[in-house]
Order: sequence, then structure tokens, then C-alpha cells
Amino acid sequence: QGQLVESGGGLVRPGGSLRLSCAASGFSFSDYSLSWIRQAPGKGLEWISYINNGGNTIHYADSVQGRFTISRDNAKSSLYLQMNSLRVDDTAVYYCAREFVEMAHDYWGQGTLVAVSS
Amino acid sequence: DIQMTQSPSSLSASVGDRVTITCRASQYIRSFLNWYQQIPGKAPKILIYGASNLQSGVPSRFSGSGSGTDFTLIISSLQPEDFATYYCQQGYGTPVTFGGGTKVEIK
Repeated sequence: QGQLVESGGGLVRPGGSLRLSCAASGFSFSDYSLSWIRQAPGKGLEWISYINNGGNTIHYADSVQGRFTISRDNAKSSLYLQMNSLRVDDTAVYYCAREFVEMAHDYWGQGTLVAVSS
Repeated sequence: DIQMTQSPSSLSASVGDRVTITCRASQYIRSFLNWYQQIPGKAPKILIYGASNLQSGVPSRFSGSGSGTDFTLIISSLQPEDFATYYCQQGYGTPVTFGGGTKVEIK
């Protein structure tokens, strides 16, 4: 059974940076596209970024374009999200999720909380 | 961007009730519509993909239908473990977008 485990969340000041990681196990990581999806406290789900299996197709939501960078290391079965210029409204639980068909996500991590506050 | 509108935003129902949740896309998305269930404090869980395909391991009381712009999730007989928030999500194009959620509460 596949598993995704996020790490790297925490408390950061506005304007600061964080790097999230997502470690995969139990499936052939290099065969799958992945996304980062976040959820602000008490709010709904917001997709923020996608990377295909080879890492050569990437998409971002407008809300993070130019500030966040998604990447992956297939040799390490790991997905990353570099978050720069963080804002208060980036406060959320961040999930990594595996796409199994056409942007449908079957495996999700447990989430990691990013809190942006002064 | 494709806007996804769910209704209702919340509902109260009893165990054994039939529950219907609708999702409307602001433009044509063929059958690229997925449904997720989220229990508080947990990650979302996929129930239905491609509008009507039941994910492996999901009980058959869940079903999905629709194509184009209008979609429906039905729970045929609500069980205690089904009290949760349900989200639709379109996978037709980026940005991927989710509906606002439907919270199913105990009556």
C-alpha cells in the first residue's frame, strides 16, 4: 500500500521561506504525477501545484505563481515545495497527493501545517 | 478558471437516509469530475473518479453520475461513518479546482 509523508512545516514570519518535503513509499514513484494541495484553517481545499512524473511539466495556481517552486527527486522518491515570500494567507495544512488518473488523487499524505504570522 | 459550485453547503440527515449532493461546473468538463470525503483532522479520501467510477474499497452505497457541467453524488443509505465533508473537484484543466464542500451532519 502506497504512502506519502509530508514534513517541513512550521511557524514562519511573513516574507520568510520554508521547504516542504513529501516522502513516498510503497509504489513506483517515478511513474506518477503529484500535486500539492492546501487547506486553510476551517476552509476548503485549494490545489496549488502539479508536477508530472518526469518533472518536465509543472503548473501553479495564480495564488503561488512566482513564489513557490515544485520539484521532485525520483531517485529519492521525494517531492518538494519551496515556498518563498510567504504571506499570512498562505497559512494552511499542506498535503501532497498522487494523481492516479486525470488529476484524481488517490494517495494523500497526512498533511503538514504551515503557519505564517508575525 | 473553472468554478465548481456545490449544493447544498451543508445538510442534516439521519442514518439510513438517501443523500444527494450536486456539483456544477462553470464550463464543460466532460466527465473529469472527482468526489472526495474528508473527516475532520484527516486527509481527503477519494470516493468517485471520472464522474461515476467507484474507487476500489469504497462502499457501493456511494455513487456518482453526470457529465458536461452537472454532477451528482448519492449516498443511498447514510451510515454513521459517512458524516463528513464532501468535495467535488474538476480534473479537466489547470488550475484544478474544488467545490466549496458539503458538510453532512447528523440530524
